[in-house]
Amino acid sequence: QSVLTQPPSVSGAPGQRVTISCTGSSSNIGAGYDVHWYQQLPGTAPKLLIYGNSNRPSGVPDRFSGSKSDTSASLAITGLQAEDEADYYCQSYDSSLSGYVFGTGTKVTVL
Amino acid sequence: EVQLVESGGGLVQPGGSLRLSCTASGFTFSSYEMNWVRQAPGKGLEWISYISTSGSIKYYADSVKGRFTISRDNAKNSLYLQMNSLRAEDTAVYYCARIERYFDWLSSYFDYWGQGTLVTVSS
Repeated sequence: QSVLTQPPSVSGAPGQRVTISCTGSSSNIGAGYDVHWYQQLPGTAPKLLIYGNSNRPSGVPDRFSGSKSDTSASLAITGLQAEDEADYYCQSYDSSLSGYVFGTGTKVTVL
Repeated sequence: EVQLVESGGGLVQPGGSLRLSCTASGFTFSSYEMNWVRQAPGKGLEWISYISTSGSIKYYADSVKGRFTISRDNAKNSLYLQMNSLRAEDTAVYYCARIERYFDWLSSYFDYWGQGTLVTVSS
């Protein structure tokens, strides 16, 4: 029962731009807590993709970008590539639950 | 290179116990806060526990509070999760994950993850 809601799936053709939303509430994103994003390739552990709403760790292509506004955040993938096919999760902190929370996850399919 | 290697997973009966371990290398383990995150088969990620660098501060998700205990041995570069009174719904891959603070503890993110260890609770 995640408190951060993501669309179950998004898809796009190679080269296209896709966005994944992460909708929270006044006890997490809306309270000003930062949002982070992870990519999980099939059968592997999650990997940090975006931290602090919009920062990319070293080695993450600049095709990935993040933003945050009010009670939601978004991850954008531009120039979609076959290797981007994976599950993506947002993460923040929730003051009502007193702990870290993850989004419901979004499966990205490259058509 | 940062490495986190979990072990100790397996098949256990409902009501049973299991102790997971996570061995860290490639960084100064005693300087980092650590966590356990789990993922049920075909499901999303769930944070379950946090421990401070010294081990004096611990937090748990409501789903495991009172049943699971997190601990660490900085001399052995190891993180542990003692799981008691296991239930079928505890079946999951358990990941240990290092956290890095963005501004403070509340803005922390998981920068390195282990490969996970599978715990199956079934009779």
